[in-house]
Amino acid sequence: EAGVTQSPRYAVLQEGQAVSFWCDPISGHDTLYWYQQPRDQGPQLLVYFRDEAVIDNSQLPSDRFSAVRPKGTNSTLKIQSAKQGDTATYLCASSFHGFEQYFGPGTRLTVL
Amino acid sequence: GEKVEQHESTLSVREGDSAVINCTYTDTASSYFPWYKQEAGKSLHFVIDIRSNVDRKQSQRLIVLLDKKAKRFSLHITATQPEDSAIYFCATSGGNYKPTFGKGTSLVVHP
Repeated sequence: EAGVTQSPRYAVLQEGQAVSFWCDPISGHDTLYWYQQPRDQGPQLLVYFRDEAVIDNSQLPSDRFSAVRPKGTNSTLKIQSAKQGDTATYLCASSFHGFEQYFGPGTRLTVL
Repeated sequence: GEKVEQHESTLSVREGDSAVINCTYTDTASSYFPWYKQEAGKSLHFVIDIRSNVDRKQSQRLIVLLDKKAKRFSLHITATQPEDSAIYFCATSGGNYKPTFGKGTSLVVHP
């Protein structure tokens, strides 16, 4: 069974540029999560979905970040105007009914 | 919102000894308590979990204990091996299964 896939694996931007991250969860998993993991810190939840619905996006900086999961399968996280403070690894994970999460390899973002 | 405190930021043990990582949480509605392992340069992967209807669970060399009254849970790794060296994260899920992670414990197992 294929695991959670993410692309791109790496991204380097100048401040003010936009970037999109893509996630393909494990087939059949209804719950999808996006996390931000700064260097040497734990994952911080940005947003999570059950099927196509956003369950919680309270930690998503709404002025610059957006996330969608239109058909309840793949998901895209977008940063509209990146800042240096956005430098981190962005992790996508999926689970069935909110239990054991399977994580993708992450996208390492550097904003110069 | 829920807060999860992971008490040991680093832990160093000798191969063959046991390692214990402790976490506390604040939300009494938390009902699911997973643990994840992150090896150097890699993503997280699930290692073991416990649900609120039990107070102990074992999977091979891993034991998880849950004390709901104290709002505390712990991961015990017995007979440690060098390949156990990694960062371990505790997490909780409460209402709507919203996950909250601790800051991680870096475990080093010395040969």
